This record gives sequence, C-alpha cells and structure tokens, in this order.
Amino acid sequence: ILNVEQSPQSLHVQEGDSTNFTCSFPSSNFYALHWYRWETAKSPEALFVMTLNGDEKKKGRISATLNTKEGYSYLYIKGSQPEDSATYLCASRAGNKLTFGGGTRVLVKP
Amino acid sequence: DTEVTQTPKHLVMGMTNKKSLKCEQHMGHRAMYWYKQKAKKPPELMFVYSYEKLSINESVPSRFSPECPNSSLLNLHLHALQPEDSALYLCASSPQGRGNGYTFGSGTRLTVV
Repeated sequence: ILNVEQSPQSLHVQEGDSTNFTCSFPSSNFYALHWYRWETAKSPEALFVMTLNGDEKKKGRISATLNTKEGYSYLYIKGSQPEDSATYLCASRAGNKLTFGGGTRVLVKP
Repeated sequence: DTEVTQTPKHLVMGMTNKKSLKCEQHMGHRAMYWYKQKAKKPPELMFVYSYEKLSINESVPSRFSPECPNSSLLNLHLHALQPEDSALYLCASSPQGRGNGYTFGSGTRLTVV
C-alpha cells in the first residue's frame, strides 16, 4: 500500500448502533498513525496517536486498534449518538510529514 | 491557551492581489505546518517549519511564500494566485516527538477570482 486509504467513504448509522471503519497505510518504516475527528466548520480534533503494533486506545465510546505489520487500523464507535456525526480522518506520520486518508464521513440518524 | 488561531476565516482575492494568511499558537509547539484542502479531498501538506526553519516544502509553487517570524507565528504570503488555488488552508502545530498529535486551526477559506 503506497497511500493512506480509508473505507468506507461514508456510512449512515442508526442512533444507538455501533460501527467501525478502516484505515490502511504503508507498513514499511512505520512511525505513527493518527486519527482525527472533523466536524464541518470546525478544526480537525486529534482523537488518537498510535505508535506500537497491537496498540488499543479508547476515548469514551470511541476506540482504535493498530496493526503495523499488515498496515491497518480500525476505529470503533460504540452506541453511536448524533453528536458523533463527523468526518473521521486517519493519517500516517513519517517524521514531520503527515499524510491523510480520504476520510470516512459518518452520519448518525436519530 | 490550547488553540491554533487562523486569520482571516474567509478571504476573496483577485489574481493580481497580494495577501497573507496568519496562524498563531501559544502552546510552545516548535513544529508548524501549512496544509491545503480542496473540496472532497484530504488535506495535503504544503510546508513544515521546525524551530522556525523551513524543513519541508512539498514542491509548492513560488506564488505561495511561507514565513515563520517567531516560534508562535506562521504566515503564508500569497501573490498572483490562480482560481485553482481556491481551497481551505489549514495551519497546525505540534510538539516534537513521535507520540504527539497535531493541533489544527479552523482554516482560512480562500477564493481566488
């Protein structure tokens, strides 16, 4: 994998349901993997910075896992709420260069 | 203060104009970044400053000229832009170190007419 790729591009989730989506990144020379949450007209907000293979991080109802050997990370949202509606960006860091995936746009329907 | 502040929030400029975008942070971060985001695309890195020195230029056209006057300020000077340069310009900062996330500003929405 040469680029950072996210899937799906968008998803609709019913309020209360759980969901997850994927980020694929180059596994060679891995340095760090970032997850950001970006609401319209606001700043991208850092959710997680992951550096170790097997890392699992959690922030409230949102958690993430990391597999550096195969080059993927999953983001999970448990019990989705309307306020979780946002674009979730992952980014692979090499030194001071952060390369973003195309994002997963999540819409939580009441 | 835990924010990155960008001004102006919106800017409309003609192709012969000269304008500047400003970014400010007071978190003591020594790395600062400019990103460009076109509609429905991910942010793309333009420039990186580390300890007030330009460390990465992603082959950005010379009509974009970055400047870092001190550790808290980052400017992007614009001159003779093209309509295709219309985009959201995001500034970010970070501490040095592998485990640190970036703090982003909310961006300047630039329209070149």
